[in-house]
Amino acid sequence: GAGVSQSPSNKVTEKGKDVELRCDPISGHTALYWYRQSLGQGLEFLIYFQGNSAPDKSGLPSDRFSAERTGGSVSTLTIQRTQQEDSAVYLCASSSRLDPPGNTIYFGEGSWLTVV
Amino acid sequence: GDSVTQMEGPVTLSEEAFLTINCTYTATGYPSLFWYVQYPGEGLQLLLKATKADDKGSNKGFEATYRKETTSFHLEKGSVQVSDSAVYFCALISSGGSYIPTFGRGTSLIVHP
Repeated sequence: GAGVSQSPSNKVTEKGKDVELRCDPISGHTALYWYRQSLGQGLEFLIYFQGNSAPDKSGLPSDRFSAERTGGSVSTLTIQRTQQEDSAVYLCASSSRLDPPGNTIYFGEGSWLTVV
Repeated sequence: GDSVTQMEGPVTLSEEAFLTINCTYTATGYPSLFWYVQYPGEGLQLLLKATKADDKGSNKGFEATYRKETTSFHLEKGSVQVSDSAVYFCALISSGGSYIPTFGRGTSLIVHP
């Protein structure tokens, strides 16, 4: 597609429920990133994919968080047993390659998650 | 590890004032440097970038020069507009590390008419 697409754009869920957030990167982009942005805060790195593999999962906040990518394209971030502190904007980004200088990353509009 | 330090905000200016938002970094290898802008309620948009020392990135009247000797990438604009009100993020991607983009904490800019 023309840009990074994320869905849902807004999600309100009850504490304890599972949620799935989807990211569709720019066509042909091999690298995909997930970040979390809490209200008024900076960006917290969660995970990145090169193709379908995730070399670094150290940013995931807990074992309730998981992510996968299939076909080198769409990625899903899953949060199990959601807690109120999970409320944030989840941002997805993609780039055509990992290494400079061609690795400009492009962001989606984000998925706004509210846990009540 | 890699890090980006931005000046604390908010920065409050009158329309047509000169803007500087400071950004310094530490990184392994030779990083690419970026400024992103986030307008209220929106995602991050790339504003400008520079990929090697002494490069100047520019867009929409904003400029930033990659200064390797001072490890800085300060954002400037000669005459700000109300529509420039947003949060600005400085970022880097290092060639010698894990390729994970590192962002500063963001600087909020408020421009009054």
